[in-house]
Amino acid sequence: GNSVTQMEGPVTLSEEAFLTINCTYTATGYPSLFWYVQYPGEGLQLLLKATKADDKGSNKGFEATYRKETTSFHLEKGSVQVSDSAVYFCALSPSGAGSYQLTFGKGTKLSVIP
Amino acid sequence: DTAVSQTPKYLVTQMGNDKSIKCEQNLGHDTMYWYKQDSKKFLKIMFSYNNKELIINETVPNRFSPKSPDKAHLNLHINSLELGDSAVYFCASSQDGAGEETQYFGPGTRLLVL
Repeated sequence: GNSVTQMEGPVTLSEEAFLTINCTYTATGYPSLFWYVQYPGEGLQLLLKATKADDKGSNKGFEATYRKETTSFHLEKGSVQVSDSAVYFCALSPSGAGSYQLTFGKGTKLSVIP
Repeated sequence: DTAVSQTPKYLVTQMGNDKSIKCEQNLGHDTMYWYKQDSKKFLKIMFSYNNKELIINETVPNRFSPKSPDKAHLNLHINSLELGDSAVYFCASSQDGAGEETQYFGPGTRLLVL
């Protein structure tokens, strides 16, 4: 079956530090890959996504590149801010019609301190 | 306007009670979902509906019964609540259920069973 493995947290960084959260996946074919973010007390919202190999998703300074050869979709940001403190989820979905679900990693909690 | 809304936001109840959580989306989407997030933040799909038809029913006790009166609503009814049902329940929607689509999440319902 499909699965997503992401680095365990929590991760604590100082403001302006570089962020990497590793994510690898197991799936057949060419799934779509996502990063969702959950701010404290809120629901999840899409941060970025990539739907085919070598695509780079980017948003709000965050980036992730779909690497088929290493089955990875690592999240990076060059300079984090206190407002980036949240839980980050890597997820995948089989591409095409009739998928109807996301498979999530266990989430990585990020805390950014001033 | 809130895209995906859930009520109630908090629900505290006794073991053995029956309760319902309501979800509505105003995005015109055809597909809706229920996810459960446990105390360790792990998210797992429970149900998916497409055009009011049940598509995915994961290994969920039959005490949980989703109902979709129309495409914009997907309610979750839980019978004979147990301590282990305490969690955050998220409703989500997407356009057609295709794998590359973004899912839009509600704010969550925090259920505590005493």
